[in-house]
Amino acid sequence: QSVLTQPPSVSGAPGQRVTISCTGSSSNIGAGYDVHWYQQLPGTAPKVLIYVNSHRPSGVPDRFSGSKSGTSASLAITGLQAEDEADYYCQSYDSSLSGPIFGGGTKLTVL
Amino acid sequence: QLQLQESGPGLVTPSETLSLTCSVYGASISTYDYYWVWIRQPPGQGLEWIGSLYYGGSTFYNPSLKSRVTISVDTSKNQVSLKVRSVTAADTAVYYCASPTTVQTHPLDYWGLGTLVTVSS
Repeated sequence: QSVLTQPPSVSGAPGQRVTISCTGSSSNIGAGYDVHWYQQLPGTAPKVLIYVNSHRPSGVPDRFSGSKSGTSASLAITGLQAEDEADYYCQSYDSSLSGPIFGGGTKLTVL
Repeated sequence: QLQLQESGPGLVTPSETLSLTCSVYGASISTYDYYWVWIRQPPGQGLEWIGSLYYGGSTFYNPSLKSRVTISVDTSKNQVSLKVRSVTAADTAVYYCASPTTVQTHPLDYWGLGTLVTVSS
């Protein structure tokens, strides 16, 4: 069982908007630690999609956005495209574990 | 540009020790105060933090694996190693080496390609 909770799956039609939630606790997100989001395509290593809650690395389309509030964070994807179909993971730091923690991952299906 | 590459046996016998190395390119382990992180992903499942090593002198392990795991560095080879003792089928996974560079709470900007380890007799 993952320390951060994500929905197992979300789906949307091309052009639509979807959001993925990530819920933590007082020892991680609620303690003020930043949340990062990763996109993992089949057979590849995860890649940073959003860092420090809401920042996009160069090359990531502005269709992807992140936010954080309290013990939760969320990833929003607008204008869904077929190429967005992937697994998405949130990640933070947990002070009780002294290490990074991950959500269980959310599989995005573009209908 | 930091590059990481995992290597090691793809098949390990149950109850034996799993040993992997992460070769680091683009930075010297002994001169950069980076964190080096091992993460694994069982087939069809999510990401699990195994442990982290800070060359400044600290190691941190996931409590669920701490009794069986050792992470260390070989500065002469510029490698980070992972050992998992007494493996079972539950240790079958793709093992990744990653780094957030200097701050443990930073995003894991650098990842290796991963290496699949199967535990089976």
